[in-house]
Amino acid sequence: SQTIHQWPATLVQPVGSPLSLECTVEGTSNPNLYWYRQAAGRGLQLLFYSVGIGQISSEVPQNLSASRPQDRQFILSSKKLLLSDSGFYLCAWNLGLAGYEQYFGPGTRLTVT
Amino acid sequence: AQKVTQAQTEISVVEKEDVTLDCVYETRDTTYYLFWYKQPPSGELVFLIRRNSFDEQNEISGRYSWNFQKSTSSFNFTITASQVVDSAVYFCALSEAWTGNQFYFGTGTSLTVIP
Repeated sequence: SQTIHQWPATLVQPVGSPLSLECTVEGTSNPNLYWYRQAAGRGLQLLFYSVGIGQISSEVPQNLSASRPQDRQFILSSKKLLLSDSGFYLCAWNLGLAGYEQYFGPGTRLTVT
Repeated sequence: AQKVTQAQTEISVVEKEDVTLDCVYETRDTTYYLFWYKQPPSGELVFLIRRNSFDEQNEISGRYSWNFQKSTSSFNFTITASQVVDSAVYFCALSEAWTGNQFYFGTGTSLTVIP
């Protein structure tokens, strides 16, 4: 069966510090991978998605970047965090088939101080 | 414009009451998919159901049921005999065949079941 991991679970970082969040998927090959952010207030904002190694689509221009160095690894980064980067970051995967549901990881709660 | 609208921001019900969560979607695609997710206090989104645009048959799974009506562009979710464990935020989402990878999520409905 497929499993998705995210780490760390929680993170407190000062403004201006770098960020690296990692997401890995087990039990499947060539998944689509997604990064979402959920700020206080619940809405899910799609940040990046990837359909293959090295292929990244950005949905919202901002202070963050994403990379996919391996088939089942998705990394979210920032060189300098802003206060507005605080939130709950969720990684998700699905198969590259139309209509296939997304499966989410446990999330990383980031607080920028 | 919002592709998925969940007009109910917060709902509170007393345990054992039935509750319906509304979802209205907008798309020009003839082939599309609708989803419901549950987000308990732990934070992880849990997939509940998928429906494609060609299947309007209602679905029942235990205490959960879903009513898909293309005529009103709605995909409502009913919980029968609610329980405290049903307290969560529920998200409706839309995926269109022609955009493929994009999921459009509603803003969620926070359900509180009072014991």
